[in-house]
Amino acid sequence: EAQVTQNPRYLITVTGKKLTVTCSQNMNHEYMSWYRQDPGLGLRQIYYSMNVEVTDKGDVPEGYKVSRKEKRNFPLILESPSPNQTSLYFCASTSMAGVMWGEQFFGPGTRLTVL
Amino acid sequence: KQEVTQIPAALSVPEGENLVLNCSFTDSAIYNLQWFRQDPGKGLTSLLLIQSSQREQTSGRLNASLDKSSGRSTLYIAASQPGDSATYLCAVYVSGTYKYIFGTGTRLKVLA
Repeated sequence: EAQVTQNPRYLITVTGKKLTVTCSQNMNHEYMSWYRQDPGLGLRQIYYSMNVEVTDKGDVPEGYKVSRKEKRNFPLILESPSPNQTSLYFCASTSMAGVMWGEQFFGPGTRLTVL
Repeated sequence: KQEVTQIPAALSVPEGENLVLNCSFTDSAIYNLQWFRQDPGKGLTSLLLIQSSQREQTSGRLNASLDKSSGRSTLYIAASQPGDSATYLCAVYVSGTYKYIFGTGTRLKVLA
């Protein structure tokens, strides 16, 4: 089954404790993204990656890091989480080939609470 | 800077009604536009993708249209059902930036 997986699904942590949210896709897609979703603000793109070792900032990159060492994986790293990073996070994978070029597929989400 | 707006923010309709959801964007330089549904506490499910060269796409009871020159897309839902209750989101893939911009969504409730 074609899918995007994220782990963990729920995470409660404390300010300053480094964490990583993993994202993996099995569709051989080149493009992957991270979003955060906040009430009233909608989904905002944090970082995206056009391919292995190619990453760039989205609209809200401050406080986050990413890496893309393998095509299927795109982890999101919070080096020193703060309460304003409490949010619902989504990973997405995007086809860059064929007639459905640019169609995004989303993971189930990770609900992060930073105390 | 590209901005995407969805109006209304919330909508309640009786079952069986045909309805239209709107998505407006400020810059016509887009690669494509995608409609999603999101159920409470869940991820996003892709409904329809319209490339910039296309005018509309259809899937079952759903029809999405795109008018790039006026910066508008509509999602038409025929014969609405209670199971259609969800938040509907549109997103544009912005030309030249490789970024996606989402609208804030329309929360739809279909009453039985």
